[in-house]
Amino acid sequence: EAGVAQSPRYKIIEKRQSVAFWCNPISGHATLYWYQQILGQGPKLLIQFQNNGVVDDSQLPKDRFSAERLKGVDSTLKIQPAKLEDSAVYLCASSLVRLAGWSEQFFGPGTRLTVL
Amino acid sequence: DAKTTQPNSMESNEEEPVHLPCNHSTISGTDYIHWYRQLPSQGPEYVIHGLTSNVNNRMASLAIAEDRKSSTLILHRATLRDAAVYYCILSGAGNTGKLIFGQGTTLQVKP
Repeated sequence: EAGVAQSPRYKIIEKRQSVAFWCNPISGHATLYWYQQILGQGPKLLIQFQNNGVVDDSQLPKDRFSAERLKGVDSTLKIQPAKLEDSAVYLCASSLVRLAGWSEQFFGPGTRLTVL
Repeated sequence: DAKTTQPNSMESNEEEPVHLPCNHSTISGTDYIHWYRQLPSQGPEYVIHGLTSNVNNRMASLAIAEDRKSSTLILHRATLRDAAVYYCILSGAGNTGKLIFGQGTTLQVKP
């Protein structure tokens, strides 16, 4: 079974530029998550989709970050304009079904963003 | 969301058992206890989860205290490949399924 795919794996941009990340979840997984992981910290949820609807985006800096999941499959996360503090690894995860408070999340390898 | 407390780091020798503790004194009756680990330069991966009873799977065992205020992840024979950051996470029935990661425990395995 193919895992969660993400691209690009690495990206270096200058501040105030724009950047986009792509995620392809495991086939059939209805729930998709984007996490931000700053060096030395645990991942922090940015946004969660159920099919193509947003379930939780309370931690997403909406003035510069946006995300979409068209057709309930692939997703893109965009940052416009980027700031130095956006340097982090952006992780995409997906899960099949949430049953009574538990669902195993499968993570992709992440995209490492460096903002200069 | 209930909070967990883990030691920042632990060391183990290869082929010895490892007991990774987690305190969660504010756990509610419907909170599941999850463990994920993150190997260097990879995304986190699921290890094990439980609610009230001890759990075993091919990767590890989870021992849950009777009052559920603490739990221990047990790796029966540590290998060099088990060197990772281990996260103990709680999520409840009302939770959307999101995982709230803390700092985790960095496990070093010495040959």
